[in-house]
Amino acid sequence: NAGVTQTPKFQVLKTGQSMTLQCAQDMNHNSMYWYRQDPGMGLRLIYYSASEGTTDKGEVPNGYNVSRLNKREFSLRLESAAPSQTSVYFCASSKDRPEAFFGQGTRLTVV
Amino acid sequence: QQQVKQSPQSLIVQKGGISIINCAYENTAFDYFPWYQQFPGKGPALLIAIRPDVSEKKEGRFTISFNKSAKQFSLHIMDSQPGDSATYFCAASIRGGSNYKLTFGKGTLLTVNP
Repeated sequence: NAGVTQTPKFQVLKTGQSMTLQCAQDMNHNSMYWYRQDPGMGLRLIYYSASEGTTDKGEVPNGYNVSRLNKREFSLRLESAAPSQTSVYFCASSKDRPEAFFGQGTRLTVV
Repeated sequence: QQQVKQSPQSLIVQKGGISIINCAYENTAFDYFPWYQQFPGKGPALLIAIRPDVSEKKEGRFTISFNKSAKQFSLHIMDSQPGDSATYFCAASIRGGSNYKLTFGKGTLLTVNP
């Protein structure tokens, strides 16, 4: 039982490049989330998806897009990466309960 | 504005001591208060959680104390061990339909010296 799996684990982008962060969960959870973690800032919600086919903005959505491909997968896309998007990105999921399970994170550096 | 305020930013405790981390919230609609533990290079993991109808919850060496009138809650780690050294996040959640959005504090880096 893998839980929440994120790929890639590390990525370096040049300013202006695009990329997609992948997330998959095998716990049959309905809700999925993308957070970013910056030093001294805690975790901030970027986007979330309450169910397949629905997505909503969180606290810091600017510069990001998401796709809830199916119940298992929730991807985060950076269309034109900026240095301010250098961060550690976490995907999480939950099933009709407030307990969220997190992946191992993707460490992204934009130069 | 920051809806969940956490203190201290860092904490150093001797082995066997008590670690105390405090959080305060503003939104009275929050109805679930979890604590997450994060080790370097790992994702946060749920440690313990409490609902506002309970004033205290204990699981092993970890206890949450909750003061609804003061809108404050705290994590106490008894008999702190070096293996407890990690970053701790308090959080608060509001249910919206079938979805729960967590608002996190900024975290406390706990170091337990042997």
